[in-house]
Amino acid sequence: EAGVAQSPRYKIIEKRQSVAFWCNPISGHATLYWYQQILGQGPKLLIQFQNNGVVDDSQLPKDRFSAERLKGVDSTLKIQPAKLEDSAVYLCASSLDGWVTEAFFGQGTRLTVV
Amino acid sequence: DQQVKQNSPSLSVQEGRISILNCDYTNSMFDYFLWYKKYPAEGPTFLISISSIKDKNEDGRFTVFLNKSAKHLSLHIVPSQPGDSAVYFCAAGSGNTGKLIFGQGTTLQVKP
Repeated sequence: EAGVAQSPRYKIIEKRQSVAFWCNPISGHATLYWYQQILGQGPKLLIQFQNNGVVDDSQLPKDRFSAERLKGVDSTLKIQPAKLEDSAVYLCASSLDGWVTEAFFGQGTRLTVV
Repeated sequence: DQQVKQNSPSLSVQEGRISILNCDYTNSMFDYFLWYKKYPAEGPTFLISISSIKDKNEDGRFTVFLNKSAKHLSLHIVPSQPGDSAVYFCAAGSGNTGKLIFGQGTTLQVKP
């Protein structure tokens, strides 16, 4: 079974630039999560999708962050414009259905904003 | 508001001894709890979970204990091995929301 795929693995941008991350969840998984992990902290939930609908985006800074899940499968997370404090690892995860259960994570995208 | 807390940033144990990692939560609606392990440059991987209807779940060397009255869970690793050295995160969620909240993590070092 293929795991959660994320790209790119690393990205360096200047502040005020825009960036996009891509995630392909495990086939058949209805729930998709985007987490932000700042160095030394735990993953912080940014947005949760159930199929192609948003379940929770209460922690997403909507003035600069946006996310979509196309046809309930792949997802993209965009930051525009980026700030220095957005430097973090962005983790995508998926789980089988809407019930809380183990989520499977991708390797993450390490973003550095300079 | 930090709903899931891991108050020990790091733990060092000798190979063969027991490792005990602790986690506290504040939201009484949480009814499912998980532990994840993370190596550098990799995503977290699922380790073990427990439902609130149980107070113990065991899987090989790993056992998770849940004390609902104290809103506390712990992960025991016996015996500890050098390959267990990693960052361990506890996570909690409630019912059919599917939402998972993570703690800050504890870095475990197992010395040979």
